[in-house]
This record gives sequence, structure tokens and C-alpha cells, in this order.
Amino acid sequence: AQKITQTQPGMFVQEKEAVTLDCTYDTSDPSYGLFWYKQPSSGEMIFLIYQGSYDQQNATEGRYSLNFQKARKSANLVISASQLGDSAMYFCAMREPQGGSEKLVFGKGTKLTVNP
Amino acid sequence: NAGVMQNPRHLVRRRGQEARLRCSPMKGHSHVYWYRQLPEEGLKFMVYLQKENIIDESGMPKERFSAEFPKEGPSILRIQQVVRGDSAAYFCASSERTGSGTDTQYFGPGTRLTVL
Repeated sequence: AQKITQTQPGMFVQEKEAVTLDCTYDTSDPSYGLFWYKQPSSGEMIFLIYQGSYDQQNATEGRYSLNFQKARKSANLVISASQLGDSAMYFCAMREPQGGSEKLVFGKGTKLTVNP
Repeated sequence: NAGVMQNPRHLVRRRGQEARLRCSPMKGHSHVYWYRQLPEEGLKFMVYLQKENIIDESGMPKERFSAEFPKEGPSILRIQQVVRGDSAAYFCASSERTGSGTDTQYFGPGTRLTVL
């Protein structure tokens, strides 16, 4: 069963506008963590933002914020004031600390293109 | 302030040869993870190691693949008798594992393996 679902293979946004990238997850563990990573065309994986399952507030990091809706099991990434450099693949990931391992499970990603 | 280091960045091997991928974690990090990314896919977990211990190898193929993280030196992912299907990007990540529940995995730039 797919643990992380990113339903948008590609998204387009105009420069300076906001964009939301969707992510839903599936887990029965009450303790988990959700992450977003950015992968530009150069290939590296860049950590953006983290949300813990017990966190009361939605996480924010600069222009990135996470719209965490626990009951819906969604953790959407919001990028405000898009910039051309935001064009990249974005991956949502979940950590389930089962049995001591803290492996990340990734979604298939969303390709974001920011248009000038 | 070095991040996670991986080398080589690109590796070309012929079928049947061995591939050795190296990963040096961030300073102060004692936990290493290896992931594989096939073209147009998200990352897939392979193995989680601490110094001299394999914690979780549930994502490792049963044959030809092995990993180690010795007391001294980098972590090594070794692929014996490579086949074309091994062509992928291999990412290493490291974390501090403070036990706080917010242990972010920081990724290296990856090694692109091409098997001819």
C-alpha cells in the first residue's frame, strides 16, 4: 500500500504567486514525522521543512509552510512568493520509527515549474 | 561546515564489475542511511547503519549488495557484479539521532551509477 501519495505529477505557477503541493500519507502509528525535500535539476536533495505528528502548530520555514491536517492525513507544502529558483522536484516523505529504524518513505514527487 | 560528502559523484561500470560508493556523514552525525533513486521515481530506502552496526537492511536486495559503516572512515555501499538494472542515483543521508523526534536526515549530493 502506498504510504505517501503525491497526486500532482507536475504543477505550474507564476513568479511571485503562492503554490500548494499536495501530500497525503497513511500510517497507523501515532508518532511519525513528515518531511519535504527539494530536488533541483542538479540532483541534490535539499531539506525544506519538518512536521511532527504531535506538533500543535503548522511548521514554517521562511517562504515554506506546511498545512498539516492530521485528521485528513495530509501535509501539503505551501510556497509563498514563488521564485524562478523554486523550479524543481519536490518530495514528501514520512518517517515511522518502527523497531528502531528511522527510514524515510518517499512519495513519487511533484515537478514544480515557476514561470516568469 | 561540510555537509554529507559522497564520492564519486559519477561512476561508470561494465556489467559484472564491482561498484563502491562512499559516504562521509556530517560532522557530529553517527547515523547513516542509503537510498536509491531510479529515473522519474522517488527515493527508496536501502539500509540504515550506525558505527559498526547495521540497524535496518530491509530495503537491501538480498544478493550482491552490502553496506558497512566502520569505526573509522566513511560508510561504503558495495555492489558486486553490477547489472544494468543497478543504474540509478544512490543517496546517502546522515542524522544526529538526538532522540528528540526531530532527527532530520541531511542528504549528500548522490552518486550516479551507470552500468554499461
